[in-house]
Amino acid sequence: QVQLLQSGAEVKKPGASVKVSCKASGYSFTNYGVSWVRQAPGQGLEWVGWSSTYSGNTDSVQSLQGRVTLTTDASTTTAYMELRNLRSDDSAIYYCARSRFVRGILTPDYWGQGTLVTVSS
Amino acid sequence: DIQMTQSPSSLSASVGDRVTITCRASQNINNFLNWFQQTPGRAPKLLIYAASSLQSGVPSRFSGSGSGTDFTLTISRLQPEDFATYYCHQSFGIPPSFGQGTKLEIK
Repeated sequence: QVQLLQSGAEVKKPGASVKVSCKASGYSFTNYGVSWVRQAPGQGLEWVGWSSTYSGNTDSVQSLQGRVTLTTDASTTTAYMELRNLRSDDSAIYYCARSRFVRGILTPDYWGQGTLVTVSS
Repeated sequence: DIQMTQSPSSLSASVGDRVTITCRASQNINNFLNWFQQTPGRAPKLLIYAASSLQSGVPSRFSGSGSGTDFTLTISRLQPEDFATYYCHQSFGIPPSFGQGTKLEIK
């Protein structure tokens, strides 16, 4: 069955970096992209970005560009999200999601369990 | 950026009720619209993609409709496990974006 297993919770100080991993199994990794979405405590969902596991192309939300790097490793079927120069408002649960294009529509269909990142001095 | 506005923000209903949640896009997004359900402490779950297609394994009491700027999610007969928060999501514009969510509570 399709599974995305994310790395454990992290506590970081402002200005530090965090790298969240997302290990995929149960499907052909390079046939789907990986999306990243975050959710601040008690808040709604915010799009972070997307990676093509086939071409390596990535795209991220403009507000995080310059601080976020999305990568994938087909040899280990793992996707990564690195966020640098952390601020307190980066505290959130970060989700990865397998993503397919259905008639051109990016559709995140299976999600990881989420990784809580807490930024605190 | 495309803004997605859901209404209502919260809704109280009873088991067996029929409920409808609406989502409006700030510009035409054709049918590039997904619906997700999220229960507390859990990851979102895909219910509907391409505005009206039911994701595999999702009960048929869930349905979606709409195109352009106005979309609806309907639950025909509420079950206890349906009390959750629902989000619409557009992927027509870059960046993709979510509505603010609709919390469905038990009356």
